[in-house]
Amino acid sequence: GDSVTQMEGPVTLSEEAFLTINCTYTATGYPSLFWYVQYPGEGLQLLLKATKADDKGSNKGFEATYRKETTSFHLEKGSVQVSDSAVYFCALNDQGGSEKLVFGKGTKLTVNP
Amino acid sequence: DAGITQSPRHKVTETGTPVTLRCHQTENHRYMYWYRQDPGHGLRLIHYSYGVKDTDKGEVSDGYSVSRSKTEDFLLTLESATSSQTSVYFCAISLGTSGIVETQYFGPGTRLLVL
Repeated sequence: GDSVTQMEGPVTLSEEAFLTINCTYTATGYPSLFWYVQYPGEGLQLLLKATKADDKGSNKGFEATYRKETTSFHLEKGSVQVSDSAVYFCALNDQGGSEKLVFGKGTKLTVNP
Repeated sequence: DAGITQSPRHKVTETGTPVTLRCHQTENHRYMYWYRQDPGHGLRLIHYSYGVKDTDKGEVSDGYSVSRSKTEDFLLTLESATSSQTSVYFCAISLGTSGIVETQYFGPGTRLLVL
């Protein structure tokens, strides 16, 4: 079945450092890809998404590009802030008609001042 | 923010007792979902609903049942709670427009401890 593999955490960075969180996927169809973020004590919220190959999703300084050739959707940010400390989840949705999301295990990011 | 509430937000119960968690939405979205979140597993789908009285199983449905008698409410029942069901449970909704991949919006979660 469809699956998502994220880099294992936790990741600890200093403020203004560059962030990359790797995400690769396995899917039989042509999935849409998502990054969700979970701040401490809260539910998940959508950070960005891409629905087809070569699309770039972006939001709040974060970016991710849908790479079909490498089946990847890596999350990047050029300069992280303390407020970016959270757990980040990569997910896919099979465009074959399913409304279900398949999530990676999550990557915890801590940004120190 | 999407109008999703979950109740209770925290619950402690004993093994063998039935437990019902409620998800309520004010968005009139068609799809509703129940996930559980556990360390090392991310989020896993338990059950979902694509309309009133229309539900289907997710990847970890054993020991759980659901009901949706109104668009706005989706109930998750642990028929006989076990310690392995200690988890954080999240409800999510999506609009469900045919042919469009849409965002899922998540509730704040219910933290359940089964002793």
